[in-house]
Amino acid sequence: EVQLVESGGGLVKPGGSLRLSCAASGFTFSTYGMNWVRQAPGKGLEWVSSITSGSSDTYYADSVKGRFTISRDNSKNSLYLQMNNLRDEDTAVYYCARVPPELRYSDSWGQGTLVTVSS
Amino acid sequence: DIVMTQSPDSLAVSLGERATINCKSSQSVLNSPNNKNYLAWYQQKPGQSPKLLIYWASTRESGVPARFSGSGSGTDFTLTISSLQAEDVAVYYCQQYYSTPPWTFGQGTRVEIK
Repeated sequence: EVQLVESGGGLVKPGGSLRLSCAASGFTFSTYGMNWVRQAPGKGLEWVSSITSGSSDTYYADSVKGRFTISRDNSKNSLYLQMNNLRDEDTAVYYCARVPPELRYSDSWGQGTLVTVSS
Repeated sequence: DIVMTQSPDSLAVSLGERATINCKSSQSVLNSPNNKNYLAWYQQKPGQSPKLLIYWASTRESGVPARFSGSGSGTDFTLTISSLQAEDVAVYYCQQYYSTPPWTFGQGTRVEIK
């Protein structure tokens, strides 16, 4: 069974940093791309960032470019999102999601971790 | 960026009746060489994470009930629930995954029981 478990969310002040993690199990992590998608309270889904299976390519939404960094450690079956210079508008539930090989949609999602940016 | 617009924002349908959700993209998401539409549909039930229902605009994900179907091509797409069940109450999102990022979502359509 595919499992994606996010962690690392919490309350942080504007300008602060957080590092989200996503622990994957139940599939061959190294063969899948991965996404981060977020959802602000009561709002819709927003694609944030993607990374290919071997980390050769990374992509970011304009809203986070230069502040967020996606990475992965295939030896640990883990995905990360380093978030710096956080803003109020980054407050959201952050989901990690699996991307089938050679594709870009998300076929499995974690339960999400809440990031709250507030002074 | 490709903008995805869903309609309606919400709809209420009686149990057993048909629910139809529309999704329009600001530019075509049809890749002519392989004749595939780069469009997915997701379901998000209250308090849960999203779940993939359909990809390539009309291919049901494994385990998704046959009452869910996707259609359309180019810029206009439809998700149909042929006979609404109580467990289908959710917000439904379309997403394009064509070409380069960002891979944008529609704003969502809330489906309720009338």
